[in-house]
Amino acid sequence: AQSVTQPDIHITVSEGASLELRCNYSYGATPYLFWYVQSPGQGLQLLLKYFSGDTLVQGIKGFEAEFKRSQSSFNLRKPSVHWSDAAEYFCAVGGGADGLTFGKGTHLIIQP
Amino acid sequence: DTAVSQTPKYLVTQMGNDKSIKCEQNLGHDTMYWYKQDSKKFLKIMFSYNNKELIINETVPNRFSPKSPDKAHLNLHINSLELGDSAVYFCASSRTAKNTEAFFGQGTRLTVV
Repeated sequence: AQSVTQPDIHITVSEGASLELRCNYSYGATPYLFWYVQSPGQGLQLLLKYFSGDTLVQGIKGFEAEFKRSQSSFNLRKPSVHWSDAAEYFCAVGGGADGLTFGKGTHLIIQP
Repeated sequence: DTAVSQTPKYLVTQMGNDKSIKCEQNLGHDTMYWYKQDSKKFLKIMFSYNNKELIINETVPNRFSPKSPDKAHLNLHINSLELGDSAVYFCASSRTAKNTEAFFGQGTRLTVV
């Protein structure tokens, strides 16, 4: 069965500092991987996705993620965070008719 | 133009009542879903439909019944509501039933009292 682990429940970062959110997955075939962001009281917005090809994928809002098959990881990065990046971040695997399997989320707090 | 829209956004109701949540997508997608987000923000798929046909029905009580009148709509009806049904319910759609990204609605916060 597929699964996603986000080891960090909360992360606090100073505004302007770099960010890395960790994601490890378990999937039987070539994974389809996603990062979503959820602002308070909002739905989920897709930040980026990996289907195949270049293992470094660029997304919206200055985010990027790197797929590392050997480590079963798909970590999300941003070189300089802004206060508006404070939100819940979800890594997910799968998609299509089976739907997405989500991690438990990482709550990002931005310190001024 | 909202791509995936759900109504209502908030729903407060008493135990034992029956309620429905509506979802519509204007993206021309073939596949639609319902997800449940619990109080710890964990998201889990409940149902998926492809061209109005039920594809996935996860371990969800029979009190939950999705209905897809056409491929742009997927409504969720819940009978005999229980306290444990309190959650945020998200509708989503994807272009096809293959592995494409899902677009989510804003969610419906259901509170059962």
